[in-house]
Amino acid sequence: QKEVEQDPGPLSVPEGAIVSLNCTYSNSAFQYFMWYRQYSRKGPELLMYTYSSGNKEDGRFTAQVDKSSKYISLFIRDSQPSDSATYLCAMSRTQGKSTFGDGTTLTVKP
Amino acid sequence: EAQVTQNPRYLITVTGKKLTVTCSQNMNHEYMSWYRQDPGLGLRQIYYSMNVEVTDKGDVPEGYKVSRKEKRNFPLILESPSPNQTSLYFCASSLGRQGVGGYTFGSGTRLTVV
Repeated sequence: QKEVEQDPGPLSVPEGAIVSLNCTYSNSAFQYFMWYRQYSRKGPELLMYTYSSGNKEDGRFTAQVDKSSKYISLFIRDSQPSDSATYLCAMSRTQGKSTFGDGTTLTVKP
Repeated sequence: EAQVTQNPRYLITVTGKKLTVTCSQNMNHEYMSWYRQDPGLGLRQIYYSMNVEVTDKGDVPEGYKVSRKEKRNFPLILESPSPNQTSLYFCASSLGRQGVGGYTFGSGTRLTVV
């Protein structure tokens, strides 16, 4: 079983929809949680970074971490066609390497 | 502009012909890493480096070598490439150890070994 499991998708939504992207994990030692966005033929780019439990908001994006359930989410409000990409969750321990989910491909249709 | 630069972007080579993929970062990061990305397998770490002359194996190091002679450069070397090394490769650097706080990734190198 993988340490990090990500909803496989693909996900297709109409423009303006609220999108929820989710990952679960098994290692309770993970403390740092990241979301990356990867456009086609590009490298992943860091979108959100959170430490431990709680919510973090940045514009239309909200990252949520629930350590008790070992569950993290990324919410996108008012989704735009430019949000169409693959989203990767990643997490790490204080002294450990980053472990990535396999990614969820999102398409936002105009 | 803060960035990680990889070259080449695309490469087709034959089995057994040594090749090097270059990686350079301009953010003065101590930590650098190489990943390969394959469908259904996600991003897997090949090698990482915590500073000049300090490198260590990741999850899939077989068939690869790296060196870190300067802080900004971290080349990936395939001494005798094989078809199972056909993949999309990413170099990344981070301020924090092992990507804590987030990596900056290069644009990728798509390698095909025939």
